[in-house]
Amino acid sequence: QKEVEQNSGPLSVPEGAIASLNCTYSDRVSQSFFWYRQYSGKSPELIMSIYSNGDKEDGRFTAQLNKASQYVSLLIRDSQPSDSATYLCAVIPIFNAGGTSYGKLTFGQGTILTVHP
Amino acid sequence: NAGVTQTPKFQVLKTGQSMTLQCAQDMNHNSMYWYRQDPGMGLRLIYYSASEGTTDKGEVPNGYNVSRLNKREFSLRLESAAPSQTSVYFCASRQTSDNEQFFGPGTRLTVL
Repeated sequence: QKEVEQNSGPLSVPEGAIASLNCTYSDRVSQSFFWYRQYSGKSPELIMSIYSNGDKEDGRFTAQLNKASQYVSLLIRDSQPSDSATYLCAVIPIFNAGGTSYGKLTFGQGTILTVHP
Repeated sequence: NAGVTQTPKFQVLKTGQSMTLQCAQDMNHNSMYWYRQDPGMGLRLIYYSASEGTTDKGEVPNGYNVSRLNKREFSLRLESAAPSQTSVYFCASRQTSDNEQFFGPGTRLTVL
């Protein structure tokens, strides 16, 4: 089993809809979770981080974390064509950035999202 | 601030050739990372440097070496390039007190 798995996609949603991106992870001690957005030919850009169970909202983005189910998701409300990109889920096993993980990220394979007008 | 810069942007090598990918950051970050990205596989960590003077292997270190030249610069060397090393290479940096990694623009490498 891969350490971090994302729904395979590609995902296509109409403009204005809610896009739902899902990620599961295998390491139970994982504490830090991130969503990166990557436009074609560009580098990853951090859009959300979440460390505690529950929801975290930032504008049109909501990250949801359920540690018991080892599941993290990203909801994009009112999807826009400019949201079309690959979304990468990433995990750090230890919360403390000074801990032995040294901030090493483990990434999922990514989900391609297309928002069509 | 330029953030994280990488050179070159593109490179074509023949099998067996060597080259060094350069990375520099101007954010005074302690930790730096090298990833490779292949289609359908996300990003995989090659090597990292938790702080100046230290380096360690990541998930896929074979065929690569690194040098943390100073706090700003972290280079990745391919001693004898192989077609399996055709990939996009990203450098990233992070401040120890934070979890956010900032990525450079990437180097697209093709090995023939």
